[in-house]
Amino acid sequence: GENVEQHPSTLSVQEGDSAVIKCTYSDSASNYFPWYKQELGKGPQLIIDIRSNVGEKKDQRIAVTLNKTAKHFSLHITETQPEDSAVYFCAPNQGGKLIFGQGTELSVKP
Amino acid sequence: KAGVTQTPRYLIKTRGQQVTLSCSPISGHRSVSWYQQTPGQGLQFLFEYFSETQRNKGNFPGRFSGRQFSNSRSEMNVSTLELGDSALYLCASSPEGQGAIAFFGQGTRLTVV
Repeated sequence: GENVEQHPSTLSVQEGDSAVIKCTYSDSASNYFPWYKQELGKGPQLIIDIRSNVGEKKDQRIAVTLNKTAKHFSLHITETQPEDSAVYFCAPNQGGKLIFGQGTELSVKP
Repeated sequence: KAGVTQTPRYLIKTRGQQVTLSCSPISGHRSVSWYQQTPGQGLQFLFEYFSETQRNKGNFPGRFSGRQFSNSRSEMNVSTLELGDSALYLCASSPEGQGAIAFFGQGTRLTVV
């Protein structure tokens, strides 16, 4: 079945700290693992993605790691800034579509 | 390149009415998917269109329908609106679809009263 779980649901960090959000999926056939950032009043924005043949990908302060055996992947944000405050969604593909997690509300306190 | 454009941004409709939402994908993208976002259910897949054909469908009643034109622009229609249809409707544009890389528009906020 299509089951995506994302943790934590809320995360509060101090500016400059790191934040980690974890996503667990159920379909072993999933081969594409994106993370989206959604700010208030806007649509989800793709911030980083990884494919199943890669274990880790980094883009400046953002990184994604994938553990296909355990069926989970994580978003890592280093040196957080207030503008990183938003809701983050994982959305692994399953059954020919993106299945979204419930979201993590990240708050970065100055 | 222009992004994904959804119109209108906001809509208020009465129960029982019908509504049509529009999405223009990124130039060159042939796949358009639609999602419904609500506080209770999160982001849920409605359907995907690719080259004017519905290629995938989520678990929504038949009141929800869509179509895609030869220029890849897509519309979705909701008939006999219910209060529970109030949501943010998001369109995602993709070069190939089927759960591959996708870019979202700003969404249409539908309120049913």
